[in-house]
Amino acid sequence: GAVVSQHPSRVICKSGTSVKIECRSLDFQATTMFWYRQFPKKSLMLMATSNEGSKATYEQGVEKDKFLINHASLTLSTLTVTSAHPEDSSFYICTTVRSSYNEQFFGPGTRLTVL
Amino acid sequence: GQNIDQPTEMTATEGAIVQINCTYQTSGFNGLFWYQQHAGEAPTFLSYNVLDGLEEKGRFSSFLSRSKGYSYLPLKELQMKDSASYLCAVSSGTYKYIFGTGTRLKVLA
Repeated sequence: GAVVSQHPSRVICKSGTSVKIECRSLDFQATTMFWYRQFPKKSLMLMATSNEGSKATYEQGVEKDKFLINHASLTLSTLTVTSAHPEDSSFYICTTVRSSYNEQFFGPGTRLTVL
Repeated sequence: GQNIDQPTEMTATEGAIVQINCTYQTSGFNGLFWYQQHAGEAPTFLSYNVLDGLEEKGRFSSFLSRSKGYSYLPLKELQMKDSASYLCAVSSGTYKYIFGTGTRLKVLA
């Protein structure tokens, strides 16, 4: 399987601040990465598809101006939660895919808590 | 619409056998995945089906019937460490996954 890292693993911030989460593909170049959000005791919900060198594709109901995605290189995608509010508190997970596989490889996740 | 259904919770005792079911209705189908997720952690891959039948892979086998839109994950000889959520996910298009709500399994001593 592929190796995916996320940083930070946990973050606590005050309401109104912005938080950046990094997702790195450590052992192959990922042209596509996915960002998911998971609320407690709920399943994973796809937020957006991050495409290297182009704009991200957001799922219905996800505000692109609030959840900024940048995929500037083949190994790094970032998700910035702007003006975070307590309802943004969640577990954020990124995944990568290899073009020759149908399987997604998960990062370890980032627990965001907004006070 | 796109829909994946799983039971919300299941409880079983150590050493028992359980079967976690998943039914799906999606606009496309490129395969079905099962993941295990412990609290506070990312999902880990268990099994994958793209053809009908039983895919055997060590402790974690999985069955698929595409005509019925149905899959199940049989768990044998349950151990305490098997207490986790089990997620069914369908690949509905190129790389795009749809996740079920997950089944929380509690294994009791």
